[in-house]
Amino acid sequence: GAVVSQHPSRVICKSGTSVKIECRSLDFQATTMFWYRQFPKQSLMLMATSNEGSKATYEQGVEKDKFLINHASLTLSTLTVTSAHPEDSSFYICSARNRDSRNQPQHFGDGTRLSIL
Amino acid sequence: QQQVKQSPQSLIVQKGGISIINCAYENTAFDYFPWYQQFPGKGPALLIAIRPDVSEKKEGRFTISFNKSAKQFSLHIMDSQPGDSATYFCAAGDSGAGSYQLTFGKGTKLSVIP
Repeated sequence: GAVVSQHPSRVICKSGTSVKIECRSLDFQATTMFWYRQFPKQSLMLMATSNEGSKATYEQGVEKDKFLINHASLTLSTLTVTSAHPEDSSFYICSARNRDSRNQPQHFGDGTRLSIL
Repeated sequence: QQQVKQSPQSLIVQKGGISIINCAYENTAFDYFPWYQQFPGKGPALLIAIRPDVSEKKEGRFTISFNKSAKQFSLHIMDSQPGDSATYFCAAGDSGAGSYQLTFGKGTKLSVIP
């Protein structure tokens, strides 16, 4: 079945560091990918919608300059948390839109646990 | 504004029992209603999904009941097992824009005790 790979699964870094998270669709082309943030024991909160070849659409309250999204190919979207601080620590999850599947139009990655010291 | 309301927040069920989780939505444009299962440290995995042209869908021990007029849908887990212990999220999506952007409920933590 369709798989979305997210890398890295876990990252720990110092405050002020920029961190890049990759989201790849392994066996289908994804013109649209979504980035979510999930705090402990809470639901998924949509941060932005990433469209291949165009600028991402950010949800209200999400800082564009803080969370840089690049969707340079039909199988890869990246989220870069710039100058990360402890409050950016969270679980980040991507999903990819599979236009060839009506039964499962979105496939989720396994998430990235980001911890900023 | 919370567009998808999910209840209960937590649920404890004995092994072999039926687990029932309910969701209600507001936006009538939604036409795709999936349920996701999430284990700690993992991304959500699609369990079962339904569209508004049917009132019920069953896959193995999992059944979705859908009430279009009431704008409600529910997940039933029959013969619940300890391995079903996880957090369950309902969601609603709109296919009209083509992106199937999903709105999630707040989640239900299910614990199945032996």
